[in-house]
Amino acid sequence: DPKIIQKPKYLVAVTGSEKILICEQYLGHNAMYWYRQSAKKPLEFMFSYSYQKLMDNQTASSRFQPQSSKKNHLDLQITALKPDDSATYFCASSQDVWGGTGQLYFGEGSKLTVL
Amino acid sequence: GQQVQQSPASLVLQEGENAELQCNFSSTATQLQWFYQSPGGSLVSLLSNPSGTKHTGRLTSTTVTKERRSSLHISSSQTTDSGTYLCHTGYQNFYFGKGTSLTVIP
Repeated sequence: DPKIIQKPKYLVAVTGSEKILICEQYLGHNAMYWYRQSAKKPLEFMFSYSYQKLMDNQTASSRFQPQSSKKNHLDLQITALKPDDSATYFCASSQDVWGGTGQLYFGEGSKLTVL
Repeated sequence: GQQVQQSPASLVLQEGENAELQCNFSSTATQLQWFYQSPGGSLVSLLSNPSGTKHTGRLTSTTVTKERRSSLHISSSQTTDSGTYLCHTGYQNFYFGKGTSLTVIP
């Protein structure tokens, strides 16, 4: 059974609209992350959260807003969508903030297409 | 920011051959993890190896932190090993390489 659940798996949006990507993890981890993979770039780190607090933000745009309502939940709200936002968005988690010991685990991804 | 260079970019092997994948990074790293990305896009953790040598199954990773490099050795390759192998590393910020695309032919 998948331990990191991402919803939806696929979504199509129109330019200018807003979407929310859902992520829940059932690994009992304290840290969660969002990454993005587009056709033109390698996987990119976007955000990290630890105990529901933002630890790091490497996203230049404020149109991307993570939201953590529960410790095992980290959603990603994207506003004013642009075609360049088309990518697969991966959620990940680790026991504690990845940088020392421990491993990252990824969800299956949410593939977003912006028309 | 951190540069993560993976080589070779692609590799074709006959089933049963061994593969050696390289990851070089430009700055200090406290963490390094190898991932497999399936043709369908799923990311699977293979090994976490910030330093030294680690083994799991047919995989061996050696990371020399001072030299800012890591390798992933796959022994006795199988067709199911085909996919992209990604190196993820960093210190306070974390980066992926572009990956090595491995194709194993029967």
